[in-house]
Amino acid sequence: GNSVTQMEGPVTLSEEAFLTINCTYTATGYPSLFWYVQYPGEGLQLLLKATKADDKGSNKGFEATYRKETTSFHLEKGSVQVSDSAVYFCALSDRNNAGNMLTFGGGTRLMVKP
Amino acid sequence: KAGVTQTPRYLIKTRGQQVTLSCSPISGHRSVSWYQQTPGQGLQFLFEYFSETQRNKGNFPGRFSGRQFSNSRSEMNVSTLELGDSALYLCASSLATGGYEQYFGPGTRLTVT
Repeated sequence: GNSVTQMEGPVTLSEEAFLTINCTYTATGYPSLFWYVQYPGEGLQLLLKATKADDKGSNKGFEATYRKETTSFHLEKGSVQVSDSAVYFCALSDRNNAGNMLTFGGGTRLMVKP
Repeated sequence: KAGVTQTPRYLIKTRGQQVTLSCSPISGHRSVSWYQQTPGQGLQFLFEYFSETQRNKGNFPGRFSGRQFSNSRSEMNVSTLELGDSALYLCASSLATGGYEQYFGPGTRLTVT
């Protein structure tokens, strides 16, 4: 079956530090990959997506590249801000077999200190 | 364009009762999916509805059910509530089905006592 593994948190960084959150996946089909972010007391917000190998998704300074050879979709940001403190979820959707069903990783809490 | 709305936002129920949660998707979206979020199990897929038909179902007991109306609004029902059903229930909408990006609502926080 499909699965997503992401690094456990919390990840604690100082403002303006470089961020990497690792995500690897296992899928039987040809998945689309997503990063979602969840702020306290809120639902999930779509941060970025990639639908095929070597695609790079980007939004608000965050980037992730779909690496089929390493089955990875690591999230990066060059300079984090306090406002980036949240929980980040990596997810996949197996377009061929499962409609829109998302399989999520366990989430990584990011804490950014001033 | 208005986002996904869910009602109610908070709910407290007693074991054995049943509950109905409502979700209104983004205008024009025809697919609605439901997820359960708990600290122990994380985010788990419940089911997806597309054009009033259940498209897919996760690994949950039959006490969890849903439906979608002709205007794409969706409801989910949980019967015979258990303490373990306490969770944040998230609804997500999408233009169509088949790996499309989904937009989530704020969730309904259900507490079972």
